[in-house]
Order: sequence, then C-alpha cells, then structure tokens
Amino acid sequence: QVQLQESGPGLVKPSETLSLTCTVSGYSISSGYYWGWIRQPPGKGLEWIGSIYHSGSTYYNPSLKSRVTISVDTSKNQISLKLSSVTAADTAVYYCAGKQSVTVDYWGQGTLVTVSS
Amino acid sequence: QPVLTQSSSASASLGSSVKLTCTLSSGRSTYIIAWHQQQPGKAPRYLMKLEGSGSYNKGSGVPDRFSGSSSGADRYLTISNLQSEDEADYYCETWDSNTWVFGGGTKLTVL
Repeated sequence: QVQLQESGPGLVKPSETLSLTCTVSGYSISSGYYWGWIRQPPGKGLEWIGSIYHSGSTYYNPSLKSRVTISVDTSKNQISLKLSSVTAADTAVYYCAGKQSVTVDYWGQGTLVTVSS
Repeated sequence: QPVLTQSSSASASLGSSVKLTCTLSSGRSTYIIAWHQQQPGKAPRYLMKLEGSGSYNKGSGVPDRFSGSSSGADRYLTISNLQSEDEADYYCETWDSNTWVFGGGTKLTVL
C-alpha cells in the first residue's frame, strides 16, 4: 500500500520560503506515477500547486508558477516543495498526492503551514 | 482547462440516499473524474474513478453504499443508506494537459 507523509516547518515568516518534503513508502517513485502538491486554506477548497513525473518533468499552477519549485529525490524516495515570498494568503494545509494516470489515487495526511511573523 | 462545477451543499436524512453532481465544462463530456471524500479535520480520501460511460472503480475499503454514474457531462456520486460518518465534503477531480483540476466541493449534511 502506497503511503505519503508530509513534513516541514509549521510556521514560516512572511517573505521567506516555505519548504516541505513528502516521503513515499510502499512504492519506488522512480518506477513511475505522477506526484503533486495540493493545498487547502482554512475553510476553503482544494487548490493544485504543481506536480512532477518520476522523470523530473514539472508542471505548475499558472497562478503560483513564479514562486514554486517541485523536485524529486529518488535516492530518498521523496518529493519536495518550495514556495518563495510567502504571505498570509499562503497559510494552508499542504497535501502531497500521487496518481498512476488521470486522477489522484493516494493522499498524504497533510501538514498545516502558517505564515506569520 | 476543464472546469468542474459542484453544488456547495446538500443534505439528506440518516438511512436515506443522496446523489451528488459534478458537471464538466463544455466539450469535456468524455473526461474521467475521481470522487474524493474529506471528513471534518481529515485529509481527503480517494473514493472512486468514474468514466463517461458510467463505469467506476472504487478505492480499497470504500463501502458498497458508494456508487457512481454518468450522464453526458454530469458525473454522479450516490451514497445509499446514509450514515453519520458520511457527513463530509466531497470533491470531484480531473486532469487535462498536465493540470490537476478540482471542483469547489459539496458539503454533505446528514440529518
């Protein structure tokens, strides 16, 4: 069974860079699948941030593209997210997700990131 | 990219059935979607993948009470014999040109 676990600081200061890691177990990310980051501001819906294929090809939400970097570390079986120049509007629960083809099959448990000084 | 439209809320009585709708934008009536359930305070959970033909494939452990169907651009999630734990937000999701797209979600209240 594929399991995803997000980790990273729960508090980030405005203008700094948010950095999160997703550790995948039960599946080797170098074998395939698409991996992505999705966020959910308090009381709101789900927003796709971006995704990466095991080969390293990346795709980003146009509204966040200038601030987002997603990468993979196949040696650690991890996917990483960096979001620069954060503001209070970036406060959200951040989820890692994986899919074999069209739609998401697996979700992480999520991690709350608060942007505040 | 496709847009997915969902009603913001729905309600039904304990033990009854409810049918939630997700509508694909024009020209996308053949798209596959997924339904995800998010119980209060929890992460989303994959329920099923649903094709335009109405064929669906449920995730591991999803009760038989959950089923899917399709009609044109509409994709449905039917929950029978509603239980209190079915009170949750339900999101539909699809993919187009390397973009992951989510509907706005439907908040289901079990009366």
